[in-house]
Amino acid sequence: GIQVEQSPPDLILQEGANSTLRCNFSDSVNNLQWFHQNPWGQLINLFYIPSGTKQNGRLSATTVATERYSLLYISSSQTTDSGVYFCAVLKAAGNKLTFGGGTRVLVKP
Amino acid sequence: DAGITQSPRHKVTETGTPVTLRCHQTENHRYMYWYRQDPGHGLRLIHYSYGVKDTDKGEVSDGYSVSRSKTEDFLLTLESATSSQTSVYFCAISESKPETQYFGPGTRLLVL
Repeated sequence: GIQVEQSPPDLILQEGANSTLRCNFSDSVNNLQWFHQNPWGQLINLFYIPSGTKQNGRLSATTVATERYSLLYISSSQTTDSGVYFCAVLKAAGNKLTFGGGTRVLVKP
Repeated sequence: DAGITQSPRHKVTETGTPVTLRCHQTENHRYMYWYRQDPGHGLRLIHYSYGVKDTDKGEVSDGYSVSRSKTEDFLLTLESATSSQTSVYFCAISESKPETQYFGPGTRLLVL
């Protein structure tokens, strides 16, 4: 099956700092999503981004499908950004999302 | 936020008992999914549905069955719960297969 690797596994940030999270995948995909799991366990969809760049407030994401990676940028981080960020992909003609192992982010005040 | 609810939100049960978890959506989305989340394994797909009475297995379907008799409801049944099925269970929905999936709040299940 497709492999999805996220880096770094853990990230500690000072409030106000910027950061980049990476997701590498091993095969062609027609769906890539970024999720944030908050400390209460809720999974929030951040981006549906099989290719290109999108921005939503302080968050932006870029997927380079031909090179099989996606980046999630967090700018001016806030304590509410803490949690685990997951990347998930769906292979072309596939039937299930495959999740990466996540990046655990802690933003300190 | 997508209208997805899960019930119960927490459950403690004993090994060997049957358990049914319910996912209810108000979005009229075609696809519905059941995942489990475990430390060290991330989120893994158990079963999914692509329409009323149309279901298929995911990567960890052993010990689980599902049913979808109405668009809005997707039931996950553990016929005889085991301790290895202690987990957090998430339901998700999407309008079509390659599109954005939206997740419910999760159900914490403890099998003693």
